[in-house]
Amino acid sequence: GESVGLHLPTLSVQEGDNSIINCAYSNSASDYFIWYKQESGKGPQFIIDIRSNMDKRQGQRVTVLLNKTVKHLSLQIAATQPGDSAVYFCAEIYNQGGKLIFGQGTELSVKP
Amino acid sequence: DAGITQSPRHKVTETGTPVTLRCHQTENHRYMYWYRQDPGHGLRLIHYSYGVKDTDKGEVSDGYSVSRSKTEDFLLTLESATSSQTSVYFCAISESKTSDRPSTDTQYFGPGTRLTVL
Repeated sequence: GESVGLHLPTLSVQEGDNSIINCAYSNSASDYFIWYKQESGKGPQFIIDIRSNMDKRQGQRVTVLLNKTVKHLSLQIAATQPGDSAVYFCAEIYNQGGKLIFGQGTELSVKP
Repeated sequence: DAGITQSPRHKVTETGTPVTLRCHQTENHRYMYWYRQDPGHGLRLIHYSYGVKDTDKGEVSDGYSVSRSKTEDFLLTLESATSSQTSVYFCAISESKTSDRPSTDTQYFGPGTRLTVL
């Protein structure tokens, strides 16, 4: 749901390792979820999405997992590269409101 | 940036002055949005548009107005800027395959406008 606090959670990984970024969403009625990547000084960039009738979706080097029971979303990045360093946001859309609700964001730092 | 441009990219202004930010898209998408991004608050919806001359409020609309006179342009106006409106402003677009309002389909974001109100 809404972001709280001033400091983003940070995940630091070694280049080549897999990364897992987690997100707890707020509304059990949300039926569409999106992961965005935001690099410094740029707008959020679409990575991958998933509808609530799915529990897994794969893209190129990325996989999104959805667990509706515990309202949890995760983004897995395979073979993390320095170019993956950014802030990652999950977002949910509640069908009857249509409003895109962003999570707090997680800063991913990739060490060469 | 999915055919979305924002202007200006940076602006410094003084309290009490009017400011207009422009979002331009080349995708002919029906839905357009204005967000602000602040530390500790993530992205918050200000206003959105679901067609030419059709707009509605988001969660932080006080102090802002919008206009959409043609499909490709969505303007955000601060009638009398305040220091609390210092922020980074993002425009987004989406195309809906349903009649949901606003769209429940993926939103694509522009590069942002950094606004400083002194």
